[in-house]
Amino acid sequence: QVQLQESGPGLVKPSETLSLTCTVSGGSISRYYWSWVRQPAGKGLEWIGRIYSSGTTNYNPSLRSRVTMSVDTSKNQFSLKLNSATAADTAVYYCCRVTDRAYMDVWGIGTTVTVSS
Amino acid sequence: DIQMTQSPSSLSASVGDRVTITCQASQDIGKNLNWYQQKPGKAPELLIYDASNLQTGVPSRFSGSGSDTDFTLTISSLQPEDFATYHCQQYDNLPRTFGPGTKVDFK
Repeated sequence: QVQLQESGPGLVKPSETLSLTCTVSGGSISRYYWSWVRQPAGKGLEWIGRIYSSGTTNYNPSLRSRVTMSVDTSKNQFSLKLNSATAADTAVYYCCRVTDRAYMDVWGIGTTVTVSS
Repeated sequence: DIQMTQSPSSLSASVGDRVTITCQASQDIGKNLNWYQQKPGKAPELLIYDASNLQTGVPSRFSGSGSDTDFTLTISSLQPEDFATYHCQQYDNLPRTFGPGTKVDFK
């Protein structure tokens, strides 16, 4: 059974880079898309982007200028970097697997990131 | 971007009630719609994909219907474990977009 686990700093200073890693266990990272989704407290879900196991990426245009995703197949991990962080980036960040039918069928438990000095 | 709206934004219901949530897309998305359930403090879980297909393990009291711009999630007989927030999501275009969510709580 595939499981995902987000990891990274829970506190980021404004203007610095928010960095998170998602570790995939119980299955291979290959031949899937992997996404990041975030949710500010009390608000809806926002799709940040996706990365294929080959490294191909698609980003939300609203964040494209600040987002970088990468994948390390040898470690079964993929990562998110969001630079120039502001308080508006404070949210719970989820990583998830995307099937070939384009639905997100496995989610991590989420990690809370607060942007504050 | 395709805008997704949901109604109502919240509803109060009792165990055994039939509950209907609607989701509308700002343009034709065919059947490229998924529904997720999210309980407080938890990650979303896939309920329905391709507008009407039940994810493995999801109880049959959940059903989805619709196409093009108008979609519905129905819970035929609400159970205590169904009190949660429900999100629709389109995958017809990038970026993927979610509806704002519908919170189902106790009457």
